[in-house]
Amino acid sequence: KQEVTQIPAALSVPEGENLVLNCSFTDSAIYNLQWFRQDPGKGLTSLLLIQSSQREQTSGRLNASLDKSSGRSTLYIAASQPGDSATYLCAVSQGGSEKLVFGKGTKLTVNP
Amino acid sequence: GAVVSQHPSRVICKSGTSVKIECRSLDFQATTMFWYRQFPKQSLMLMATSNEGSKATYEQGVEKDKFLINHASLTLSTLTVTSAHPEDSSFYICSASTTRRDRLSYEQYFGPGTRLTVT
Repeated sequence: KQEVTQIPAALSVPEGENLVLNCSFTDSAIYNLQWFRQDPGKGLTSLLLIQSSQREQTSGRLNASLDKSSGRSTLYIAASQPGDSATYLCAVSQGGSEKLVFGKGTKLTVNP
Repeated sequence: GAVVSQHPSRVICKSGTSVKIECRSLDFQATTMFWYRQFPKQSLMLMATSNEGSKATYEQGVEKDKFLINHASLTLSTLTVTSAHPEDSSFYICSASTTRRDRLSYEQYFGPGTRLTVT
């Protein structure tokens, strides 16, 4: 059974810092990995999707990497801003299925 | 593009009553929709997979007679929580699946969620 773990559970940083969020998964036979952002009481916004054959994806100040063999992914946020404050969720899908298995998320607070 | 809506956004109901939540894909057709539940400080847990025109597939531990799912069209799926109890209070989120631009894979787009409180 696939399990997704995110570390740390919470992170507080001053504005302007670069930071890294971690995600690990137990079964490396994934189809893709996604990073989402969730604001309090809201739905999910997809940030980046990495196919299993890819090593990384970039969008603006965000960069996500994937090391499938070791079961790890990182989300790098450059020059953090208060507007980046949210919970970041990592999810993986298995081959042949669209089902997503989510981690519990990392709650990020960027202080002005 | 790829917008998914949910209605209502919040609902409070009395124990024993039923509540219906709608999930719509506004600008695309979704052959598959998913229903998730999220408890405070917990992750999203998949409840069921809904395919248009067929019965939903429920995850282990989810009561299909309690959580009725109907996927009548390519743009609408509904989740009905029957005989709701306080322990059903949660945040319910749906997603709709469509093929990505490369047509080689699928991507899920999520609704804004529905906060259900059962008193």
